[in-house]
Amino acid sequence: KNEVEQSPQNLTAQEGEFITINCSYSVGISALHWLQQHPGGGIVSLFMLSSGKKKHGRLIATINIQEKHSSLHITASHPRDSAVYICAGLIKAAGNKLTFGGGTRVLVKP
Amino acid sequence: EAGVAQSPRYKIIEKRQSVAFWCNPISGHATLYWYQQILGQGPKLLIQFQNNGVVDDSQLPKDRFSAERLKGVDSTLKIQPAKLEDSAVYLCASATGGMGYRQTQYFGPGTRLLVL
Repeated sequence: KNEVEQSPQNLTAQEGEFITINCSYSVGISALHWLQQHPGGGIVSLFMLSSGKKKHGRLIATINIQEKHSSLHITASHPRDSAVYICAGLIKAAGNKLTFGGGTRVLVKP
Repeated sequence: EAGVAQSPRYKIIEKRQSVAFWCNPISGHATLYWYQQILGQGPKLLIQFQNNGVVDDSQLPKDRFSAERLKGVDSTLKIQPAKLEDSAVYLCASATGGMGYRQTQYFGPGTRLLVL
């Protein structure tokens, strides 16, 4: 079992819909990253959070440390949001090594 | 600010051949990472450098993979000889320093390797 798990693996939405991606982890983490990877392969860091909630534009990330769970929400989704979204935890027991989930492939149709 | 640069962007080789990838991190970033990302999976850390020293290479298949960062700036990752299962995107990332805690890692565009 992976230490960081994401769901769903694939998600298709219509433009304008609200999207939620979930991330759960089984070990202690110092912080959790949400990353966006476009088809070309490059990865962009969206958020790093260790508690509460962060918002940037139409993206909202939340984390519940007690439940070992984080969510990434996209409001009013747009076709340009189509990408792979990856959560990654800084694992305390591994010297704060970044461990990645498998990614969620999001497709937003116009 | 220039981002993390990687080359080549794509490489196709036959199994048992050798290949090398190059990464130039963001100027001033002490920490450099190489990741392997197999299609449909999240990235897996291969090696982490702090300046020119290796911090973590526990998941690097050392019988065929090697990496160096001789002057603490740019880095090369080599595979010799390549196997079919090495087909993946190889991502380089850099961060300002420390052990990764609360560090934002900046990723390069990746090198897509296909081994035939």
